[in-house]
Amino acid sequence: GAVVSQHPSRVICKSGTSVKIECRSLDFQATTMFWYRQFPKQSLMLMATSNEGSKATYEQGVEKDKFLINHASLTLSTLTVTSAHPEDSSFYICSARGRQGVGAYEQYFGPGTRLTVT
Amino acid sequence: TQLLEQSPQFLSIQEGENLTVYCNSSSVFSSLQWYRQEPGEGPVLLVTVVTGGEVKKLKRLTFQFGDARKDSSLHITAAQPGDTGLYLCAGIKDGRAGNNRKLIWGLGTSLAVNP
Repeated sequence: GAVVSQHPSRVICKSGTSVKIECRSLDFQATTMFWYRQFPKQSLMLMATSNEGSKATYEQGVEKDKFLINHASLTLSTLTVTSAHPEDSSFYICSARGRQGVGAYEQYFGPGTRLTVT
Repeated sequence: TQLLEQSPQFLSIQEGENLTVYCNSSSVFSSLQWYRQEPGEGPVLLVTVVTGGEVKKLKRLTFQFGDARKDSSLHITAAQPGDTGLYLCAGIKDGRAGNNRKLIWGLGTSLAVNP
């Protein structure tokens, strides 16, 4: 099956610094990538959708200047949390969708990145 | 307003019991997926249903898509401790294309199966 990796799996950073999270599709070309945020025992909250080579589309309430998304290639997207605050601490998950045939619309998820801002 | 109502939100049962999780909406979906997620990991796709009335089985798990494609259920037979996790339903609303093909998520069902 399609595999999506994320790096790092865990990161601790100090308040005010920036941290970058990478998302890679390992065995397929991801034309669309999604970034989610998740709180404990809750569902996923979509932050933004990005298509390769174009600007990300952010969901309402998500600060695009704080959460910088770059989808530079068909296998790599990055999320940079700028000027991190403790309230940015969360579980961030990326998802990728490739050039699938008509019907399933399946997304494949990365293993997530636990961000802790101290 | 939650477009996909998932219930129950929490479920704690004994090993060997059966359970059903429901995902309901007033909207029609072109496809609906069920995921299972363990703590500290990303969701893992269990099944995708696309046809009204469709039933899919995955070992002890049975998934059903409603005839009108507005609801779905996940039934687990003889639950085991290894089934413990967060179960999420998600779907794509009918008629969406391109960048609008975003998954709409239910709130999840946190299942605990006690030995």
